[in-house]
Amino acid sequence: DADVTQTPRNRITKTGKRIMLECSQTKGHDRMYWYRQDPGLGLRLIYYSFDVKDINKGEISDGYSVSRQAQAKFSLSLESAIPNQTALYFCATSDRTSPKADTQYFGPGTRLTVL
Amino acid sequence: AQKVTQAQTEISVVEKEDVTLDCVYETRDTTYYLFWYKQPPSGELVFLIRRNSFDEQNEISGRYSWNFQKSTSSFNFTITASQVVDSAVYFCALSVPSGGYQKVTFGIGTKLQVIP
Repeated sequence: DADVTQTPRNRITKTGKRIMLECSQTKGHDRMYWYRQDPGLGLRLIYYSFDVKDINKGEISDGYSVSRQAQAKFSLSLESAIPNQTALYFCATSDRTSPKADTQYFGPGTRLTVL
Repeated sequence: AQKVTQAQTEISVVEKEDVTLDCVYETRDTTYYLFWYKQPPSGELVFLIRRNSFDEQNEISGRYSWNFQKSTSSFNFTITASQVVDSAVYFCALSVPSGGYQKVTFGIGTKLQVIP
């Protein structure tokens, strides 16, 4: 089984709808991240969380919110989706206690299309 | 501010050719980490390598090798005897300490197409 899973893998929705993307991990990592990938722009950080009670905004958090329900679960919500939020979304994890604490491991991605 | 430049947006090679993907980074931090990730057509991001700023030794893993040169702020990736399965988008990334966590800056990626 994959260490980092994301659901759904693909989603098409309409402008104004509320959408939740979910991420679960079995790696036992304490830190989790949400990124979006757009062609020509690489990956940009939306939110990150060091633990259940520690959530921080990344560089492009406007229009998004997150919830860290447990150490293993980190959800990303689009309160009112708009077309320019069409992108590939990645969840990632890292382990603060690891000698490679700076290394992030990514989920398979969720392709979101907002019509 | 940190920056990662992957000047080659797309590269095409014929199978069995060697290919080098360039990565140039900018940072004022003296401690940092560099990474390469592979994104095959299926879309997932696969971690390939991590290198810290104090270790300039080149690394080889099978057909993959990495050349880290602090003097030119480069961390290039070479695939020897390329195969069709190497076709993917490759991302270079830079990680620096920022407010208690490691801020990661990604390049825009280089799309490699290996032609049979």
